[in-house]
Amino acid sequence: GAGVSQSPSNKVTEKGKDVELRCDPISGHTALYWYRQSLGQGLEFLIYFQGNSAPDKSGLPSDRFSAERTGGSVSTLTIQRTQQEDSAVYLCASSPGRWVEKLFFGSGTQLSVL
Amino acid sequence: DQQVKQNSPSLSVQEGRISILNCDYTNSMFDYFLWYKKYPAEGPTFLISISSIKDKNEDGRFTVFLNKSAKHLSLHIVPSQPGDSAVYFCAAIPNAGGTSYGKLTFGQGTILTVHP
Repeated sequence: GAGVSQSPSNKVTEKGKDVELRCDPISGHTALYWYRQSLGQGLEFLIYFQGNSAPDKSGLPSDRFSAERTGGSVSTLTIQRTQQEDSAVYLCASSPGRWVEKLFFGSGTQLSVL
Repeated sequence: DQQVKQNSPSLSVQEGRISILNCDYTNSMFDYFLWYKKYPAEGPTFLISISSIKDKNEDGRFTVFLNKSAKHLSLHIVPSQPGDSAVYFCAAIPNAGGTSYGKLTFGQGTILTVHP
């Protein structure tokens, strides 16, 4: 596709359930990032992939959060046993290299935990 | 600990006038700064950047100023247009050009409204 695609665009879940969020980066982009934006806050870095490996997972808030990337392309962010504080917009971005100006964001997944 | 702060949640400007959006940072290791623009239901898009070796960078109607001693940067939009109405985020990164990657620290954003 032409841009970074994220699905679903909206997800409502009950506290304690697991959720999976998907990101399809721009074809050929080797770097992939997950960020989240909680209400009234700036974007918060979660994890960085270079190819299929994640050299920086420092932003994952707890061990309930995990992410993987397969085939150097699609990435899935999984949140286990969701809590209300997990409610946020989860944004994925990809880039062809290290240039931060070349970071292209998807439109995000709005996660609501009831 | 908010290392990048945008203290004005919103700004309202008349079309044709100047918009000035401000950003302050605390981490002296930051040496590259970016502004992103975000429309509703879309992801942020890159607008303009500045390296710490400069104090000004200009791109059309957009100019970013950096005051390193004050740890302050600002984005000027002249003249402002209704299509500029969006949320503007400033972001910062340390060690740009070295081993850095897209691990940005963002401010909370400022909602700009440009009235016709």
